[in-house]
Order: sequence, then C-alpha cells, then structure tokens
Amino acid sequence: RKEVEQDPGPFNVPEGATVAFNCTYSNSASQSFFWYRQDCRKEPKLLMSVYSSGNEDGRFTAQLNRASQYISLLIRDSKLSDSATYLCVVNSGAQFYFGTGTSLTVIP
Amino acid sequence: DGGITQSPKYLFRKEGQNVTLSCEQNLNHDAMYWYRQDPGQGLRLIYYSQIVNDFQKGDIAEGYSVSREKKESFPLTVTSAQKNPTAFYLCASSTRGGYTFGSGTRLTVV
Repeated sequence: RKEVEQDPGPFNVPEGATVAFNCTYSNSASQSFFWYRQDCRKEPKLLMSVYSSGNEDGRFTAQLNRASQYISLLIRDSKLSDSATYLCVVNSGAQFYFGTGTSLTVIP
Repeated sequence: DGGITQSPKYLFRKEGQNVTLSCEQNLNHDAMYWYRQDPGQGLRLIYYSQIVNDFQKGDIAEGYSVSREKKESFPLTVTSAQKNPTAFYLCASSTRGGYTFGSGTRLTVV
C-alpha cells in the first residue's frame, strides 16, 4: 500500500465552482501534513500546512481527519489561476511522502 | 534571500555520458533530497541526506550517485547506468515546516 494516495483527476470545473480534493495516508503516526501546488513544468510550492483543527487561507480550507487518516483541500470560488496540480505531502519521522498529485483545470 | 538553487535549468546529455546536477541551499537545512518527476507522474525519491557525509537511497537510486561533503551542497550524478534518465529533477531541503524546492533541472538524453 502506498504511503499517500490521491485521486489524480483531472478535475475540470467552471470558474466560481467549489472543488474538494482528498488525500489518504497509511501511517497513523504521521506528524505533519501539507498541500503543495505545482504549475506545469515548475517546482512544487507550499500552498498551506494542514493543522489538526483545520485552517483557512482566503478561498482555501485544509482539514485533517486523523481517525480516517485523510486530509482535504477545499477551494471556493475557483479562479482560472487556480489551474495546477495539487500535491499532498505527509511527514512521518524523517521522511516526507508525496501523493501523485490531483490535476485541476478551471474553465472560463 | 534564502533558497535553493539548482543548475543548470536545462541539460542535454548524450547516451553513455555521466552528468552532474548541482543543488545548493542557504537555508541552513540539515536534510536534502533529490526527486525525479516524469510527465504526468508523481515525485519519486532518488536519494536523501539527513546530515553531512551521510546519505540514503530512495526508491529509485539505481543509476544515480550523490555526495554530501558540505551542508549547503547535495549534487546528483546521473550515470550511464541509468537507462531512462530523461526527466525533471527536483532538489529539496526540509525542516519540520515542510519542503522548499529548487526550480528544477530538465534533463534530456539526445
């Protein structure tokens, strides 16, 4: 079983839509969780950390469900500029584990 | 400003040649990593280093070698033994606050 699993998509949504991504992880002892954004042919960049109580940054909301071992990312009022691949990252001890990424395309 | 610098941005290699990709960071991070990304694929770990003069194989280390003589530097050599080296290579360093990535090197075998 992979350490981190994501639905690869693609998600094609109209501008203004709300879209949610989930990511499951296998190690219950995982300590830190992150969402990264990767634009085409660029390096991944940190979008937001995921805290136990959930956290929000503008149109983006991240949540952690330890009991079910998943993290989620919700994007409200999608913009064309949100089109990218979204990677979840889970830290277990010394290592970070990456999901394969979920591709999002926001359509005018 | 602190960050990670990878060079070159684009690299072309003939079959049978070894090439070395540079990765330098001034973030004072102990841990550094090399990943490979193929089109439409996730990141795959090649090598990582938690401390100077020590490094560990990742999931796809065959055909690659690294060194960590200085905290700031973690170069990756793609050897002729790597059968399919054309890919996007990403170097990263980390703290518990997450990863910082370099801008990547796109390697193409010609």
